[in-house]
Amino acid sequence: NAGVTQTPKFQVLKTGQSMTLQCAQDMNHEYMSWYRQDPGMGLRLIHYSVGAGITDQGEVPNGYNVSRSTTEDFPLRLLSAAPSQTSVYFCASSYSVGYGYTFGSGTRLTVV
Amino acid sequence: EDQVTQSPEALRLQEGESSSLNCSYTVSGLRGLFWYRQDPGKGPEFLFTLYSAGEEKEKERLKATLTKKESFLHITAPKPEDSATYLCAVGDNTDKLIFGTGTRLQVFP
Repeated sequence: NAGVTQTPKFQVLKTGQSMTLQCAQDMNHEYMSWYRQDPGMGLRLIHYSVGAGITDQGEVPNGYNVSRSTTEDFPLRLLSAAPSQTSVYFCASSYSVGYGYTFGSGTRLTVV
Repeated sequence: EDQVTQSPEALRLQEGESSSLNCSYTVSGLRGLFWYRQDPGKGPEFLFTLYSAGEEKEKERLKATLTKKESFLHITAPKPEDSATYLCAVGDNTDKLIFGTGTRLQVFP
C-alpha cells in the first residue's frame, strides 16, 4: 500500500516552461487536493476534486490547471512557470473532507 | 470566508514543561477540525479529527479539544521528539480543507 505518491521530488524550471506534477493514490479515495507551502504562509489550497470528472478552485488557482480522469490520479499542470510559483507542492487524498487527509511527501519546485 | 489562525507562531519548551497550542477558526458549516504534525522536509501527518464542541481526543502526550470558536492542542510533559510544526485545519461545507499557518514547537532536553 503506497498511499499518496508524488513525482518528481525535486524540479528546477526556467521561467515560461510548462510541466506536470504527478499525484497518484491507491486507497480508492474520492477526495484529492493540491496545496502549496511557502514559508510563513502555511498550506494554501490550489485545486481540489471530490471525484473523477469533478474539480474546483481553491484559494490560489491562478497559473495552475488540474483534471481528474480517474479516481487514482490528480495531476497538477503549470502552464507557464513563474518565479512566484517556487514552492513545495503537496498532494493529499481522503474519503471525504470530514476524514483525515493523507499527504504525499511533496515536490520541491524552483523556477529560475 | 473560512479563516484559521494559529498561535503562537513558535514555542520553545523545556522537556517536561507542559503547554497548549491554540487554533481559532471561522468556517461555513464545520465538517471537521483537524490537527496535523509536520516534520522538516516531510508531508503533514494526521493526528486528530474533532467534529463537535466539547469533543476531546488523546494520543500519547497530546490532547485536542474543541469549542465553537477554537481548538487547543495540549502537550503534557513533552519530549524532544515532539519537536515539529503543528498544523490546524478545518473542513467546510464546500468540501475544502483550509489550513492555518502552524505553530513551530521546539522541545529542549
